Amino acid sequence: AQKVTQAQTEISVVEKEDVTLDCVYETRDTTYYLFWYKQPPSGELVFLIRRNSFDEQNEISGRYSWNFQKSTSSFNFTITASQVVDSAVYFCALRNNAGNMLTFGGGTRLMVKP
Amino acid sequence: GAVVSQHPSRVICKSGTSVKIECRSLDFQATTMFWYRQFPKKSLMLMATSNEGSKATYEQGVEKDKFLINHASLTLSTLTVTSAHPEDSSFYICSASLRGTPTYEQYFGPGTRLTVT
Repeated sequence: AQKVTQAQTEISVVEKEDVTLDCVYETRDTTYYLFWYKQPPSGELVFLIRRNSFDEQNEISGRYSWNFQKSTSSFNFTITASQVVDSAVYFCALRNNAGNMLTFGGGTRLMVKP
Repeated sequence: GAVVSQHPSRVICKSGTSVKIECRSLDFQATTMFWYRQFPKKSLMLMATSNEGSKATYEQGVEKDKFLINHASLTLSTLTVTSAHPEDSSFYICSASLRGTPTYEQYFGPGTRLTVT
């Protein structure tokens, strides 16, 4: 069975602060994929990143960075110098290699105040 | 590329009526389409997996007769909420899996907000 846990249900920061969203996962598979999605108030899911289990290199994309730690089964997401437009719900998700079913975490609602 | 559309984006219907939601992959062939339901401030819950030309596989607790899924072609899947009731009000999201790619990437539609009065 797969499980994704996002312990932070809501985070509130002031603009320009850095913020890290936590994601912890459980799986028995050795090959799997991890994802982060952003869901703004409009509701549409926006794909942010996919990482496979064999690639533990951290990734940076502009103000976004991701820290994949296989040893702790975590795939944390950091936004540097947050902006009001970053306000959204962020979902971490897991998919195994055998199928194509995604397991979503509960989501973290990020509120960035001006 | 890999755009998925949903229609309608919003629908309000009266209790007891049926509502059909369409999910289309616009520029690719989708071997598999997924239907999710999302309650306010909650995560996405998978309702069913739909493979083209075969019956949908429903998740535990999802009523097959209530939520009819048809996947008649490689670019279209429909979800019909039959005899809708207020508790069926929710945000419904579909996704399509890209045929021929090893990672079976899922591309999400923009969602349909259903309100049953």
